[in-house]
Amino acid sequence: GNSVTQMEGPVTLSEEAFLTINCTYTATGYPSLFWYVQYPGEGLQLLLKATKADDKGSNKGFEATYRKETTSFHLEKGSVQVSDSAVYFCALTVTGTASKLTFGTGTRLQVTL
Amino acid sequence: DADVTQTPRNRITKTGKRIMLECSQTKGHDRMYWYRQDPGLGLQLIYYSFDVKDINKGEISDGYSVSRQAQAKFSLSLESAIPNQTALYFCATSDLTDRAKNTEAFFGQGTRLTVV
Repeated sequence: GNSVTQMEGPVTLSEEAFLTINCTYTATGYPSLFWYVQYPGEGLQLLLKATKADDKGSNKGFEATYRKETTSFHLEKGSVQVSDSAVYFCALTVTGTASKLTFGTGTRLQVTL
Repeated sequence: DADVTQTPRNRITKTGKRIMLECSQTKGHDRMYWYRQDPGLGLQLIYYSFDVKDINKGEISDGYSVSRQAQAKFSLSLESAIPNQTALYFCATSDLTDRAKNTEAFFGQGTRLTVV
C-alpha cells in the first residue's frame, strides 16, 4: 500500500533560521507529492506540489524536490518567519486512485522571535 | 466566503446520539471527500464520492455513513456516536475535469466533534 513518513515534531526555530522537514514515501504506483499547511483553527491549504521525479515545487519561500531515487520530498525554507508557525503535512496521491490522499502524521513548526 | 464550508464548526454530543456533519462547496468540483484527523495520525479517509450516484468507502468507514444530496453537498453521519469518534473532521473537494490539477484537494475549515 501507500504510506508517508515525516519527521515528528514539534520543531522549534528562531526567526530567520533554516527549516527542513523530512518526508519519505512508499507507493504502489507513480505518485504525485504534496505539502499541505494547517494554520491554527483553519483547514489544510496546499503549499506546494510535484507530479514527477526531479520536479521542484515552490511557494512562499518553501520548496521541495521530488526525489524518486530516495523516495523523498523534504520541505525546506531558507529563512522562517513567525507567521510560518503551523502544522505541515506531507501527502501523496497515485494516478487512478480517485485523487485520494495519503497523509503523513504532520509536523508542528513553531517559530519564535 | 469559503469555497468549502462545513457546519457545524464545533459540536459536543453524547454517546449513542446520531449526528450529521454537513459540507457544501461552491467550486463546482465533482469529487468530494470526508477525512478524519486525530493527533499523531494525520488524516484518514472515511468516504469519498465522484457524483451523487457514486459513493465509496475509504480506509475507516465503519460507524459512518454519507449522503451526496447534490453535486455541491456531501454530508457525513455518525449513526450512534462513540467516544473514540472524537476527532477533527474535514471535508475536501477536487476537480475531475482539469487533468493538470485534478489531484489537488481543497479543504473546509473542519468540524471539531467531541463525543462524551
